[in-house]
Amino acid sequence: ELKVEQNPLFLSMQEGKNYTIYCNYSTTSDRLYWYRQDPGKSLESLFVLLSNGAVKQEGRLMASLDTKARLSTLHITAAVHDLSATYFCAVDMKGGNEKLTFGTGTRLTIIP
Amino acid sequence: DTGVSQNPRHKITKRGQNVTFRCDPISEHNRLYWYRQTLGQGPEFLTYFQNEAQLEKSRLLSDRFSAERPKGSFSTLEIQRTEQGDSAMYLCASSRQRMRDTEAFFGQGTRLTVV
Repeated sequence: ELKVEQNPLFLSMQEGKNYTIYCNYSTTSDRLYWYRQDPGKSLESLFVLLSNGAVKQEGRLMASLDTKARLSTLHITAAVHDLSATYFCAVDMKGGNEKLTFGTGTRLTIIP
Repeated sequence: DTGVSQNPRHKITKRGQNVTFRCDPISEHNRLYWYRQTLGQGPEFLTYFQNEAQLEKSRLLSDRFSAERPKGSFSTLEIQRTEQGDSAMYLCASSRQRMRDTEAFFGQGTRLTVV
């Protein structure tokens, strides 16, 4: 059974600081997704990572994938308040049908 | 609006009643998924359709749950004899059949409260 773990579960950080969220998964996968969710809202797609060594950046967020280590990271640079949300990674098993297994989420709060 | 649409957005029902939710996917997407999300947790897969065929169901989907996608377009999720444990956000997503960079797009969700 595929397990996806994120850490930390909760993160409070000051504006302007950098931090990294980690996503570990237990079995082979050829694609990994990062989603953002605001309270009471649905999921917004941030990144799709398709291969080992993939790196994608959008604004202050950068995601990377190491399939050998079964690890993805979401790096936040110079955090701003607008980034406060819950971030989920989700894994699609290799050869799978896009049935996603989600991590537990990281609730990020940016404080002034 | 060309995104995934779900109705209703909120539903409050009494325990034991039946409820039905609707999902309209993005028009060119032939795959449709249902997920359930409880407070403080990540979404959990329930079931998935390719066109009108239901190809997979999670063990989470008890006999009280049924999903259909009769013409390969919109889908409905019905819960019979609702229980308080069914209270959750029900999310629908759609995608194209797997291409290199395909991804699933989620609707706004239907929040169910069973009282």
